[in-house]
Amino acid sequence: ELKVEQNPLFLSMQEGKNYTIYCNYSTTSDRLYWYRQDPGKSLESLFVLLSNGAVKQEGRLMASLDTKARLSTLHITAAVHDLSATYFCAVAETSGSRLTFGEGTQLTVNP
Amino acid sequence: DTEVTQTPKHLVMGMTNKKSLKCEQHMGHRAMYWYKQKAKKPPELMFVYSYEKLSINESVPSRFSPECPNSSLLNLHLHALQPEDSALYLCASSPTRTSGWDEQFFGPGTRLTVL
Repeated sequence: ELKVEQNPLFLSMQEGKNYTIYCNYSTTSDRLYWYRQDPGKSLESLFVLLSNGAVKQEGRLMASLDTKARLSTLHITAAVHDLSATYFCAVAETSGSRLTFGEGTQLTVNP
Repeated sequence: DTEVTQTPKHLVMGMTNKKSLKCEQHMGHRAMYWYKQKAKKPPELMFVYSYEKLSINESVPSRFSPECPNSSLLNLHLHALQPEDSALYLCASSPTRTSGWDEQFFGPGTRLTVL
């Protein structure tokens, strides 16, 4: 059974600081997704990572994937308040049967 | 059209009511999904339709009944729900699932409250 662990689950940081969210998964996969969710809202797709060594950047967020270590990171650079949200990673099983979500990281960026 | 729409946005129902949630996409996607999400938790997969056929049912109670009338439309029929069924119900679609799970695009969700 595929297990996905995110840490930290809660992250409070100051504006302007950098931080990294980690997503570990237990079995082989070559598809990993990062989503953002604002309170009471739906999931917004941030990044799709499809191969080992994949790195994608959008604004202050950068995501990477190491399939050998079964690890993805979401790096936040110079955080701003607008980045406050819950971030989920989701991993697809190689059999293609389903997505397994991490528990989510609730990020709060304080002025 | 590059979005998934869901109606209604909010729904309050009693335990004896029958209601339906609707999801629509016009992106030509052939896989559609229903998820349930409780507060501060990740989405939980309920059902998957692939090419209008039910391909995954995650042991969901029969008081939830999915229907896929055509490739653009997905319904979730609700009957005799319990208060613990109150949650955000999310619909998603993806291009196909034949080669694995393509990126899923989520609708805005229906906030369901069961009294």
